[in-house]
Amino acid sequence: DAGVIQSPRHEVTEMGQEVTLRCKPISGHNSLFWYRQTMMRGLELLIYFNNNVPIDDSGMPEDRFSAKMPNASFSTLKIQPSEPRDSAVYFCASSPPSSPRQFFGPGTRLTVL
Amino acid sequence: GNSVTQMEGPVTLSEEAFLTINCTYTATGYPSLFWYVQYPGEGLQLLLKATKADDKGSNKGFEATYRKETTSFHLEKGSVQVSDSAVYFCALGPGGGNKLTFGTGTQLKVEL
Repeated sequence: DAGVIQSPRHEVTEMGQEVTLRCKPISGHNSLFWYRQTMMRGLELLIYFNNNVPIDDSGMPEDRFSAKMPNASFSTLKIQPSEPRDSAVYFCASSPPSSPRQFFGPGTRLTVL
Repeated sequence: GNSVTQMEGPVTLSEEAFLTINCTYTATGYPSLFWYVQYPGEGLQLLLKATKADDKGSNKGFEATYRKETTSFHLEKGSVQVSDSAVYFCALGPGGGNKLTFGTGTQLKVEL
C-alpha cells in the first residue's frame, strides 16, 4: 500500500533558481498539507488543501512560495527564486475525509547554495 | 486558539530506563490528541492517539492517557531501547478543517 510519495528526495540548487517539489497523496485522502522543518523553527505548516482547494495559506513565508493542487492525486510546492534560507526539509502529508490523522511523506531535503 | 506545549529536549536516557515526555494543551471543544514519532531522515509517523477524555492510546510499549482535568497527554514507556531514539511530537486536532497543531518536538536519545 503506497504511502504519501514525494519527489525529489534531495534537491541541491543555487540561489535564484526555481525549485519545484512534488507530492502524491494517498488515494482517497481529501486533505493535503505542506510543512517545512528546520532546526531553528521546527515544523511549520505552510499551506493546506481540502478537496484540491487551498484553505489556509497563512503559513506561506512570502510571495516566492506558491502551491498548487490541480487534481486529487498531485500537488506541487514551488519556490521562485530560491534563497539559502529556504534550505529545509519539506514534508507533504495527507488525511482521509472526516479524520484529523495525517500521513506524512518521507520529505524532500532542499539545500540552496 | 489551539496550542501544544511539550518538554524541551534533548532527553538522554540509558537503555531500559523509564521515559516520560510531558505534553499539555489548550483547545476549544473536544480535540483528539496524538503522538507522532520521527526517526532520523524520515517523515513523521503516528505513534498513538486518543479521541476522548480518559482514553489511553498505546503502541510499541508507549502509552499516553487523555487527561481533560489537567489538559495533558504525557507519553510514557517503561523500558526504552536504543531503537526508540527519535523526535517525538505531541499534536491535537482537528482545528480548522483537518489541521493539526503540533508541539515543538522532543528529541530522545537512548544510550547503551
